Amino acid sequence: EIVLTQSPGTLSLSPGERATLSCRASQSVSSSYLAWYQQKPGQAPRLLMYGASSRATGIPDRFSGSGSGTDFTLTIRRLEPEDFAVYYCQLYGSSPMYTFGQGTKLEIK
Amino acid sequence: EVQLVESGGGLVQPGGSLRLSCAASGFSFSTYYMSWVRQAPGKGLEWVANIKPDGSEKFYVDSVKGRFTISRDNAKNSLYLQMNSLRAEDTAVYYCARVNVWGSYRFDYWGQGILVTVSS
Repeated sequence: EIVLTQSPGTLSLSPGERATLSCRASQSVSSSYLAWYQQKPGQAPRLLMYGASSRATGIPDRFSGSGSGTDFTLTIRRLEPEDFAVYYCQLYGSSPMYTFGQGTKLEIK
Repeated sequence: EVQLVESGGGLVQPGGSLRLSCAASGFSFSTYYMSWVRQAPGKGLEWVANIKPDGSEKFYVDSVKGRFTISRDNAKNSLYLQMNSLRAEDTAVYYCARVNVWGSYRFDYWGQGILVTVSS
């Protein structure tokens, strides 16, 4: 079973700053199967990125994704007030079929 | 517009059963894989089950195998999750999610979620 570990657990930043969120897999994975989601309180998750670096429909270009092998990064170039939320990485694999990281909470400093 | 609307949640006693439904609209339901994903109170996301477009293959997380059954009715554009032998640890918000497998595997649309509480 592949485990996804996200860091940091909580990230405190101010609007306008750059956010860098990490997702590390316990073994090498295909970047094609790595996705990122944003979840705000009381809402369903929203797909941000897929294939590690492709933005989902309607996602602003201040969001970008990168990485390969075991290390993946979600970067938010200039934080807007609406970006403060919890972010999850997710992997398609074999068992279980889909795995999520434990999440990174991005909070306003 | 893609819409997924869950129903059927509520309070159930340990050992009881519940059937969740998800009504889909705005896309060709019969051509998509579908999944259920849950989130325990204050916790992260956990994939629960997945079903192929024609319903011929189903996959489950180990913790629900033998207790939960995912199914679909393409004529009714509906997804279901039959949950039996429910445990306290099954308490969660359950989301219906569309799986997009073109180029990658990701949950590109989600329902609003439905709360299932297992408690005596």
